[in-house]
Amino acid sequence: GENVEQHPSTLSVQEGDSAVIKCTYSDSASNYFPWYKQELGKGPQLIIDIRSNVGEKKDQRIAVTLNKTAKHFSLHITETQPEDSAVYFCAASDQGAQKLVFGQGTRLTINP
Amino acid sequence: EPEVTQTPSHQVTQMGQEVILRCVPISNHLYFYWYRQILGQKVEFLVSFYNNEISEKSEIFDDQFSVERPDGSNFTLKIRSTKLEDSAMYFCASKAGPSYNEQFFGPGTRLTVL
Repeated sequence: GENVEQHPSTLSVQEGDSAVIKCTYSDSASNYFPWYKQELGKGPQLIIDIRSNVGEKKDQRIAVTLNKTAKHFSLHITETQPEDSAVYFCAASDQGAQKLVFGQGTRLTINP
Repeated sequence: EPEVTQTPSHQVTQMGQEVILRCVPISNHLYFYWYRQILGQKVEFLVSFYNNEISEKSEIFDDQFSVERPDGSNFTLKIRSTKLEDSAMYFCASKAGPSYNEQFFGPGTRLTVL
């Protein structure tokens, strides 16, 4: 079955700098790759997603890139702000299977 | 904005007891899911539910687990005889339909088995 690995497990950056979180997946059938943000005491919230027919997607300060050949995808956050501090999860899904397979999560801390 | 809700937020139970975790998915959504997250570990898929039946389940979802949609709004996860290792955060999620990918997650229920 699918296996998703995520790095780093913790990341600390200065406010205003960029943050990059990377994930790899194992199943070439996976075709949907969402990124979730989890704040303390809340459930995961989708912040951006990408499908396998697209190589890059951007939404304001957040971007995701996908390399299907290498089976990895990354989350890029630019001009980080204190409210970006949270745990971020990548996930992969085969549309037919429906279920999401998650990475281990990255605790991002933005230092003022 | 519509959201998935879950009750209770925290459940404490004794080993061997039955628990029922409740979820109200977003209205008009057709696909429902349970995931769990043991402290410090990945979020893991448990089960998906569509058209009043289980569509997929993981190996974690053994005979001690069951799901039900007793009415048009609730979606429940029952653990028949809890074990210490069932202690985790349990998340419910829902999805609009087959041509949609986004799963919306609830805030979770923290289950503590003593």
